[in-house]
Amino acid sequence: GENVEQHPSTLSVQEGDSAVIKCTYSDSASNYFPWYKQELGKRPQLIIDIRSNVGEKKDQRIAVTLNKTAKHFSLHITETQPEDSAVYFCAACYSGNTPLVFGKGTRLSVIA
Amino acid sequence: DVKVTQSSRYLVKRTGEKVFLECVQDMDHENMFWYRQDPGLGLRLIYFSYDVKMKEKGDIPEGYSVSREKKERFSLILESASTNQTSMYLCATLPVGQPQHFGDGTRLSIL
Repeated sequence: GENVEQHPSTLSVQEGDSAVIKCTYSDSASNYFPWYKQELGKRPQLIIDIRSNVGEKKDQRIAVTLNKTAKHFSLHITETQPEDSAVYFCAACYSGNTPLVFGKGTRLSVIA
Repeated sequence: DVKVTQSSRYLVKRTGEKVFLECVQDMDHENMFWYRQDPGLGLRLIYFSYDVKMKEKGDIPEGYSVSREKKERFSLILESASTNQTSMYLCATLPVGQPQHFGDGTRLSIL
């Protein structure tokens, strides 16, 4: 089955700097890769996702890149703000209708 | 907007009790999931269901069962609660062609 590894487990950055979180997956059949943000005491919420037919997707300060050959994908947050502080989870699955397999999460702290 | 409602935000039970966690969605979605979230371990899939009366084991089904008698409701059952089942439990639904949506979670403590 699929296995998703996520690094780092914790990340601290100064406000205004960039943050990068990396994930690798094992199943070459996986073709859907979402990223979730979970603020303290709240539900995980989708912030961006990418399908395997594209290599990069951007939404304002957030971007995701996918390298299918190497089986890894990354989340990039630019110009970080204190409200970006949260736990971020990557995930992978086949077709988007099968269960997601999640990474173990990255706790991002943005220091003002 | 997709709404996934979990019946309790916080729940305290005793070891050996039978515990029911309820999840209801209002969008007629077929796919529903139960995850468990623990610090440092991320979200782990317990059970999922693709349709009424259908269920599939996830990665950590031991000690749990599920029930899906109606499309909108997916229940997670702890047959005999143990302290190692103290955790945050998250229900999710998966609309066709859309991302997975989560409920607010139930923080369960087993004493």
